[in-house]
Amino acid sequence: AQKVTQAQTEISVVEKEDVTLDCVYETRDTTYYLFWYKQPPSGELVFLIRRNSFDEQNEISGRYSWNFQKSTSSFNFTITASQVVDSAVYFCALVGGGNKLTFGTGTQLKVEL
Amino acid sequence: GAGVSQTPSNKVTEKGKYVELRCDPISGHTALYWYRQSLGQGPEFLIYFQGTGAADDSGLPNDRFFAVRPEGSVSTLKIQRTERGDSAVYLCASSLGGVGDTQYFGPGTRLTVL
Repeated sequence: AQKVTQAQTEISVVEKEDVTLDCVYETRDTTYYLFWYKQPPSGELVFLIRRNSFDEQNEISGRYSWNFQKSTSSFNFTITASQVVDSAVYFCALVGGGNKLTFGTGTQLKVEL
Repeated sequence: GAGVSQTPSNKVTEKGKYVELRCDPISGHTALYWYRQSLGQGPEFLIYFQGTGAADDSGLPNDRFFAVRPEGSVSTLKIQRTERGDSAVYLCASSLGGVGDTQYFGPGTRLTVL
């Protein structure tokens, strides 16, 4: 069975603060894929990043960065210099042997002025 | 290009009625997925098509739920004898079909069963 845990239900920060969203996963598959999606108030899930289990390099895209550590089964997401437009629910998800995504329960991020 | 589209965006029905939800995937995507998202939860997998066939329907909650994709493009999720517990947002996604390929989601259909 696969499981994704996002222990932070809600995080509030002030604009320009850095914020890290935690994701811990469980899988018995040796090959798997990890994802982050953003769900703004409009409701549509927006793809942010995909990593495979063989690539542990951290990745940076603008103000976003991701830290993948197989040793701790974690795939954390950091937003640098947060902005009000970053306010959304963020989901971490996992695909193992099949093609179905297993999602965490999401972290609601609120960025205030 | 066009993303995944879903119709209707909202559907209100009465308990016991039959509903159909439609999904039009990204052109060229061979895989199509249905998920269900309840308030405050992450999406939960329902069924996955590779081409015209259901490759994995392990997430369908019971036999009131059925989905088809007759020509390998558009898919319809069908719910018979709706119950109040079926109220949720139904999300459709599509991908190129390889293992672990990124799934791109549509805007969802919000189903309310009164």
